[in-house]
Parts: sequence; structure tokens; C-alpha cells
Amino acid sequence: AQKVTQAQTEISVVEKEDVTLDCVYETRDTTYYLFWYKQPPSGELVFLIRRNSFDEQNEISGRYSWNFQKSTSSFNFTITASQVVDSAVYFCALSEERYGGSQGNLIFGKGTKLSVKP
Amino acid sequence: EAQVTQNPRYLITVTGKKLTVTCSQNMNHEYMSWYRQDPGLGLRQIYYSMNVEVTDKGDVPEGYKVSRKEKRNFPLILESPSPNQTSLYFCASSPAGGTEAFFGQGTRLTVV
Repeated sequence: AQKVTQAQTEISVVEKEDVTLDCVYETRDTTYYLFWYKQPPSGELVFLIRRNSFDEQNEISGRYSWNFQKSTSSFNFTITASQVVDSAVYFCALSEERYGGSQGNLIFGKGTKLSVKP
Repeated sequence: EAQVTQNPRYLITVTGKKLTVTCSQNMNHEYMSWYRQDPGLGLRQIYYSMNVEVTDKGDVPEGYKVSRKEKRNFPLILESPSPNQTSLYFCASSPAGGTEAFFGQGTRLTVV
């Protein structure tokens, strides 16, 4: 069965600290897609990244970076030099091959609430 | 502007009174989905649709109905709402094989 586990329910850091959000997934498919979303206090869902199972290159976008390791079924998200505006709930999600990578059928983790204090 | 529009944004209703939450997208996307978000449970899929007249159950379909008569619209119907359907609901659309899903702003439903 497909499953996404975000073991960290809540994390609190002080501004400028680096923080890593963990995501572990389970799937029987050889082709799948992984995502991260941000949900700020205003409630909307903001897409951050999509990664397919054949691309294990790490990705960096500004202060954000993602580490995908198939060997450990993990897709971790690191925020470098965190800021108060990073305070949000972050969701990791999985989509199966049969949906062609579309985000039409996402399996979400339960989310990690990140609080960044000034 | 590309967007997914849900209505209403907030709704308080009574047990048993049928209601419909509308969802419309202007991007000609094939895929549309409904999710509910509950504290400690994350987002769980209710129903999804791969195209017009093609719908399927997600993880928590009980108590909900959907229809996809037109590509742009995917309404969520609660025939007889109950308090355990109090939740935050999101509609999403995505092109087939697309790299990003577009989510609506959410509908906060309270059933008393």
C-alpha cells in the first residue's frame, strides 16, 4: 500500500537556524512522483517541488533544498537560514505511475508544523 | 488568471441538509480531485476524476457524491451532512502528466 510518513508533527526553531523536515514513503510502483507543499497560516496550499523516481539528483532553490534517496525511501526538505515567513505546515505527498505524475491523486503525509521564532 | 475557484469559502449548516460545494477550473485540466483536511490527519482524498464522466473513489468517499459533466466543473455533494464531515475541503486540478496541481482556496464546512 502507498503511504507517506512525516514523523515530525511539530518543529520549532529560531530564525536563521537550518531545519530539515523528514518524509518517508512506501510504494510498490517503480515509477512514482514525490511532492512538497507549504500551507501558511492563511490556509492555501502552495506547491514547492515535484520529483520523479528516476531523478535522484538533489535540488536547491534559494534557501530550500531537497534530498531524495531511493535506498531509504526518503525525500527530505531542508530550509537553510530559516525565516519567520517560513512558519507553516509542510506536506509531503506521493503520486503513482498510473496517474502519469499528475497531481490528480495525491497521497499526503500528515504534515509537519514548522514554527520559526524571531 | 489560471485558477481553481471553490464556493463557498465558509459554510455552517445543519445535520441532514443537502449541500453542494462547487469547484471550477479555467485551465482545461483533465484531472480534478477533492480532499478533506483534518487536524492530525493531513489531507485525504475523497473523490477524483480523470476526465469528463470519469470519477473514482479516493480514500474517504463515504457520505459524498461527485459528478463531472463538464471538464471545468467538479462539484462535491453532501446529500445528508453529519457533524463528522466538519472539515476543511480542497478542490484541485491538474493536467495529465502535469508538474503542478492547482488547489482552490479551501472551503471550511461546519455541520452542527
